[in-house]
Amino acid sequence: DARVTQTPRDKVTEMGQEVTMRCQPILGHNTVFWYRQTMMQGLELLAYFRNRAPLDDSGMPKDRFSAEMPDATLATLKIQPSEPRDSAVYFCASGFFAPSGSPLNEQFFGPGTRLTVL
Amino acid sequence: QKEVEQNSGPLSVPEGAIASLNCTYSDRVSQSFFWYRQYSGKSPELIMSIYSNGDKEDGRFTAQLNKASQYVSLLIRDSQPSDSATYLCAVNMDQEYGNKLVFGAGTILRVKS
Repeated sequence: DARVTQTPRDKVTEMGQEVTMRCQPILGHNTVFWYRQTMMQGLELLAYFRNRAPLDDSGMPKDRFSAEMPDATLATLKIQPSEPRDSAVYFCASGFFAPSGSPLNEQFFGPGTRLTVL
Repeated sequence: QKEVEQNSGPLSVPEGAIASLNCTYSDRVSQSFFWYRQYSGKSPELIMSIYSNGDKEDGRFTAQLNKASQYVSLLIRDSQPSDSATYLCAVNMDQEYGNKLVFGAGTILRVKS
């Protein structure tokens, strides 16, 4: 049963603390996305990687957020220092992109990490 | 103007009726379009994808695409209470890199039994 996994599922922390969220993409997928969802802003793309290389992180606050892919089976999103306005659900999604392949390029979401910063 | 627009709803339909969800997008070069269903407290689940003009059917779901009008819709036939959820329209707007989706704010659907 291929699916994206994320840990932790819930995280409560205090302002100023470091938060690390992890994602395991579906095996064989070469593109990984980080999204943030809030009631006010909806679903926002923070960053994404293809073949572990960052392609776009323009949606991410650069001063406190960082995203990496140490290997093909792990993507991380770190917030340091965390602030109450970072409280949201963070989703990881993965897909397979082939330039000469199907234009559909579907993405599949993980269960999300619900972050609460007090 | 938002890149992907949806009516926030809620759209209320009786059980057994057809639910029609609509989405417009601003980028004429967009090539692929997706509908995700999101239950409260859960992650978005891909239910339909389409890239050719016309209709695409999958079970009770039909996606309709009209690129000239920059319009994509989702029809749900024989609506069930279990279809009650938020439906997100997503558009692939980055042809150079592929995969980059822009999401609408979502339409809340309520199916009344």
